[in-house]
Amino acid sequence: NAGVTQTPKFRVLKTGQSMTLLCAQDMNHEYMYWYRQDPGMGLRLIHYSVGEGTTAKGEVPDGYNVSRLKKQNFLLGLESAAPSQTSVYFCASSYRQTSGLDTQYFGPGTRLTVL
Amino acid sequence: AQSVAQPEDQVNVAEGNPLTVKCTYSVSGNPYLFWYVQYPNRGLQFLLKYITGDNLVKGSYGFEAEFNKSQTSFHLKKPSALVSDSALYFCAVRGYNFNKFYFGSGTKLNVKP
Repeated sequence: NAGVTQTPKFRVLKTGQSMTLLCAQDMNHEYMYWYRQDPGMGLRLIHYSVGEGTTAKGEVPDGYNVSRLKKQNFLLGLESAAPSQTSVYFCASSYRQTSGLDTQYFGPGTRLTVL
Repeated sequence: AQSVAQPEDQVNVAEGNPLTVKCTYSVSGNPYLFWYVQYPNRGLQFLLKYITGDNLVKGSYGFEAEFNKSQTSFHLKKPSALVSDSALYFCAVRGYNFNKFYFGSGTKLNVKP
């Protein structure tokens, strides 16, 4: 049981390049999330998904796109990277509970630098 | 609007002493509150959560948190700190829209031998 995994762990991009971050979970979780972590700002929600084939915007969605074609995978795409997107990206997943009182499980993070 | 505030960027405590990491929240409706810990170069790990019931919640690694509705606070506590507790701690609240969490900016805990 690997939990939540993220690929790649590190990446350096030039401004304008594109890339996709992959998140995979093997816990059969319904909900998946993408966050970015910046110094002094905590975690900010980029996009999230409440099930296969569905996605929704979080706090800071601009410049990012996501897809959830399979329940176990949640992809985060940067179409044209900018230096402001230099950050550590975390994926998380959680069970679906009708009360909404679930716990999130986090991946190890992807450190992205945009030059 | 939902939000969480952690007023201290850093907390320093000597090993063996009690520790407190502060968190205040603002949320519509009943708050669902969480504490997570992050060790260097790792993802966040769940410590404990408050749903309803007892105001004192016990969690992993000897941590506990006290929910105070009148002060809208959810402070993390431990009776006796360990050097290995040194890490970054995040408070989070689940918003009215159950799909979203809101995280504080984090508090770095330094426990010195």
